[in-house]
Parts: sequence; structure tokens; C-alpha cells
Amino acid sequence: GEDVEQSLFLSVREGDSSVINCTYTDSSSTYLYWYKQEPGAGLQLLTYIFSNMDMKQDQRLTVLLNKKDKHLSLRIADTQTGDSAIYFCAESILDNTDKLIFGTGTRLQVFP
Amino acid sequence: DTAVSQTPKYLVTQMGNDKSIKCEQNLGHDTMYWYKQDSKKFLKIMFSYNNKELIINETVPNRFSPKSPDKAHLNLHINSLELGDSAVYFCASSQGVRRDTGELFFGEGSRLTVL
Repeated sequence: GEDVEQSLFLSVREGDSSVINCTYTDSSSTYLYWYKQEPGAGLQLLTYIFSNMDMKQDQRLTVLLNKKDKHLSLRIADTQTGDSAIYFCAESILDNTDKLIFGTGTRLQVFP
Repeated sequence: DTAVSQTPKYLVTQMGNDKSIKCEQNLGHDTMYWYKQDSKKFLKIMFSYNNKELIINETVPNRFSPKSPDKAHLNLHINSLELGDSAVYFCASSQGVRRDTGELFFGEGSRLTVL
């Protein structure tokens, strides 16, 4: 199957860390991605991780990949109100289509 | 310069009408996509074209017809619009995972409302 699951909502206080989780199904995925969607806008890539890596850090963002459990997480340190958005994980499918399968999206709300 | 641009941004129309959404990318990518985002924000792929050739057609009703006049353009025509077609339609482009990281670059979306 090609289901990518995420919890739908996350609410955090400003300054705390946020952790958004994702479970994917295709063990042959070459890349896994985190996208951010702000209200009324398209999706923008935040970061990606190659499937042979366990962790990737990019400023306030840390991505952890557990291939055995097919689990991907995104940690945002020092969460700000501007981080409020919907976050999508996505996996690339290893076929000749170059399509990405997106998760159900997690709505992150940051309150003061 | 907008990398992936789609028009119109908003479209309100009556059931039964025919409408088109246009998309252009100036990134030099070979592959373009249409995704549909429903009211719950679920994002599903509809079509993909690689260098003007249809690659993906994900069980979309044949009222939806994509057209790619060249690799920089992918338009979406919808016949006999139904209430359930109301959604935000996103165009995207990519260089693919074999030549790059497979990152998709998205347009701003076209919100279609069918009354």
C-alpha cells in the first residue's frame, strides 16, 4: 500500500520543541521529505533525508529516520508562532513515475 | 520570478460547466504534476507528465483531461463539473529522483468552488 500516516493536530507553547511524526509504507523509498503549508499557500520543502541516513539537522530542524519501523519524525526546536502551519511528510516511490506520496498532514498550532 | 505559476487562483462556477486551470514552470524540469487537496487537506496525485508524455493517471474520472503542449506547461481541463470537484488543485514540477532529490516545487494552488 501507499499510505503515509500522521497525527492530525499538534499544539505547543511558543519556545517549546515540537515533534511531528510520520509512518510510511514503502521500504524502498529513496528520499523522505517534510513540507510546510501556510494558509492559502502552496507546499514548500522544509528539508529532506536520504534513506541511508538516520538523522539530519538543519538549524532548528532535526529529522530522524527509523527505516526498520518506517518512522520519520521532524523536531522543531524553539517553536515560534510563525511555525504554525500544516506539515506534510512525503516519500518518493521507487518506480519510473517520480511521484511523491504525501501524508495526511499535521496541523501545528503554536500559542504564546 | 515565480517558479511554478498557475491560473486562476480562484474559480467559482456552476455544476455542469467546463473549466480549465493552467500551469507553467520556468525551472527547466522534465516532470509536471497535478495534485488535488480536499477540504480535509489530504493531498492526492492525479496526473504526471514527463516531457509531454503522460506517466501517471491515478483513477481520475475521464471528465478530467490534462494537456501538456510542451514540457514547461501542464493544463487541466475539467468537463461537466460536479460538486465533489470542489478542492484546491496544485500544480508541481520536479527533476525526479534519478537526476536530483525528487523535490517537488509547487504552485500556489487554484481553489475551485462548484455551486
